[in-house]
Amino acid sequence: AAGVIQSPRHLIKEKRETATLKCYPIPRHDTVYWYQQGPGQDPQFLISFYEKMQSDKGSIPDRFSAQQFSDYHSELNMSSLELGDSALYFCASSSRGAYNEQFFGPGTRLTVL
Amino acid sequence: AQTVTQSQPEMSVQEAETVTLSCTYDTSENNYYLFWYKQPPSRQMILVIRQEAYKQQNATENRFSVNFQKAAKSFSLKISDSQLGDTAMYFCAFKGAQKLVFGQGTRLTINP
Repeated sequence: AAGVIQSPRHLIKEKRETATLKCYPIPRHDTVYWYQQGPGQDPQFLISFYEKMQSDKGSIPDRFSAQQFSDYHSELNMSSLELGDSALYFCASSSRGAYNEQFFGPGTRLTVL
Repeated sequence: AQTVTQSQPEMSVQEAETVTLSCTYDTSENNYYLFWYKQPPSRQMILVIRQEAYKQQNATENRFSVNFQKAAKSFSLKISDSQLGDTAMYFCAFKGAQKLVFGQGTRLTINP
């Protein structure tokens, strides 16, 4: 079965640079969620989209923005990167009206030097 | 706001033993879902088991089962006949109307 795809899997950036993370949900899933997991921490919800509209917002910094496109893939744009942004970024997808189960992608490991 | 608490940062058992991981949560919502996720060293988030709050029957998936006590807002995970591959971080998670909220995690080690 198809799973959530995230790219790139690893990313190394310098401070103050920008980064773009991509997420391709499971086919026919219309909702995408972004999470940030710092070292030794639990995943923290950043933002979600349903049918290309933002549906919920968590602890996402103003330096970050995201959107969901017409093909339901999503991109997380991160600007003015800081050392503290180094983390594992998960994307998850679900089908609204289904069980609400979120299927997670493998994550993108971002390292900011 | 919903909160999820896992009071056991680390646990360790011998292979083939049974282990129970604790989780409590706080919410004012009536309709919600509860999950246990496993995160092995690969750091992939893998769904282990789920429970719908309106179902009284405890969920079971092979060696994994839960003890869901809605009134006490408790949702523990029991792993029977533990295997070396069960070694991982285990996160309890709550989902109400919106976002998924995770507990702090329990690091479980299965020893040979």
